[in-house]
Amino acid sequence: AQSVTQPDIHITVSEGASLELRCNYSYGATPYLFWYVQSPGQGLQLLLKYFSGDTLVQGIKGFEAEFKRSQSSFNLRKPSVHWSDAAEYFCAVGVYNNNDMRFGAGTRLTVKP
Amino acid sequence: EAGVTQFPSHSVIEKGQTVTLRCDPISGHDNLYWYRRVMGKEIKFLLHFVKESKQDESGMPNNRFLAERTGGTYSTLKVQPAELEDSGVYFCASSQRIGGYEKLFFGSGTQLSVL
Repeated sequence: AQSVTQPDIHITVSEGASLELRCNYSYGATPYLFWYVQSPGQGLQLLLKYFSGDTLVQGIKGFEAEFKRSQSSFNLRKPSVHWSDAAEYFCAVGVYNNNDMRFGAGTRLTVKP
Repeated sequence: EAGVTQFPSHSVIEKGQTVTLRCDPISGHDNLYWYRRVMGKEIKFLLHFVKESKQDESGMPNNRFLAERTGGTYSTLKVQPAELEDSGVYFCASSQRIGGYEKLFFGSGTQLSVL
């Protein structure tokens, strides 16, 4: 079965600095990969997804992620973090339906002024 | 358009009591899912409804959990009797097929604390 590891439980960055959140997955075939964000008091919102094709995917709010098959990784990046990006971020891997989706334990992002 | 709404947002109960969580999906979404996140851990699938039918309940932890979706609209998740390990955040999601896949729309969750 597929699984997801987010090695960083909590990350703090300064506003305007770049950000990279790590995600490693385990799955035998090409997975469907997702990044979700949960802001305080909100539901999980889809930032971006990778199914196939170009390994660099663009998402909402200026985020991007790169699928690297050789490293089994799907790291999330943003060149310049805004205070409103403070939230919890979840990486997820799916097979072909939402019942099989596996989420990571999440990375909490704090943004310093 | 209203999103997925969950009620209550927080619930604190004592061990042995009963709690019922409610989820109202986005209107027109046939698929409804329940997920749970135990503190600090990953979000885990509980079950999936298609309209009023349980499509997959393989993630339900035990028979103290009962989910219903009468009429294929809102859903309830009842925990009876609640145990300490049931504490966590319960998320509901509904989905819509967009571009070849079922996109999930999540509610803001119910924080359940069992004391």
